[in-house]
Amino acid sequence: AQSVTQLDSHVSVSEGTPVLLRCNYSSSYSPSLFWYVQHPNKGLQLLLKYTSAATLVKGINGFEAEFKKSETSFHLTKPSAHMSDAAEYFCVVNYGGSQGNLIFGKGTKLSVKP
Amino acid sequence: NAGVTQTPKFQVLKTGQSMTLQCAQDMNHEYMSWYRQDPGMGLRLIHYSVGAGITDQGEVPNGYNVSRSTTEDFPLRLLSAAPSQTSVYFCASSFRQGAAYEQYFGPGTRLTVT
Repeated sequence: AQSVTQLDSHVSVSEGTPVLLRCNYSSSYSPSLFWYVQHPNKGLQLLLKYTSAATLVKGINGFEAEFKKSETSFHLTKPSAHMSDAAEYFCVVNYGGSQGNLIFGKGTKLSVKP
Repeated sequence: NAGVTQTPKFQVLKTGQSMTLQCAQDMNHEYMSWYRQDPGMGLRLIHYSVGAGITDQGEVPNGYNVSRSTTEDFPLRLLSAAPSQTSVYFCASSFRQGAAYEQYFGPGTRLTVT
């Protein structure tokens, strides 16, 4: 079955230090991949997406992600965390096909300490 | 553009009551969908529509009905509310169905069933 796995349910970093949120997907064929962010009591906002163009994708607010087919990974990174980055992050896969629906990871909650 | 709007923002129901969650988009998107978000589960697809007059079931459709009489609106009906339907509900839309198209999310409806 097609799936997406976020390897950490909770990540805590200090302000100014790098952020790494990990995501792996099942490899039946090349999907489209997305990272969404959800701030407390808010809806979901698209951070970035990969749709088979450049493997290094830059998003909003300084985030970027690298698609690595050999590792079936799409990890999200940011060089320097800011307090406003504290939120829940979802790795999302769309395998296309007849439904073309999104499959969500279970989310990673990012905490940023001052 | 208002994007994707949802009403109400909050709702409390008693077991057995029925209600309709409203969703509207003003982007002329063909594809609309409903998700529910439960702690530690990510988002799960309830129903989706690829155009006016066409709907289909997602991963967790039981207890919910949908219809799509116009491009803009995609209401979700709870026929007889149960405590297991306590959740946050998100409506989303995208230009087309398919892997390359990002989905835009509404702000959510927080539903409690007592």
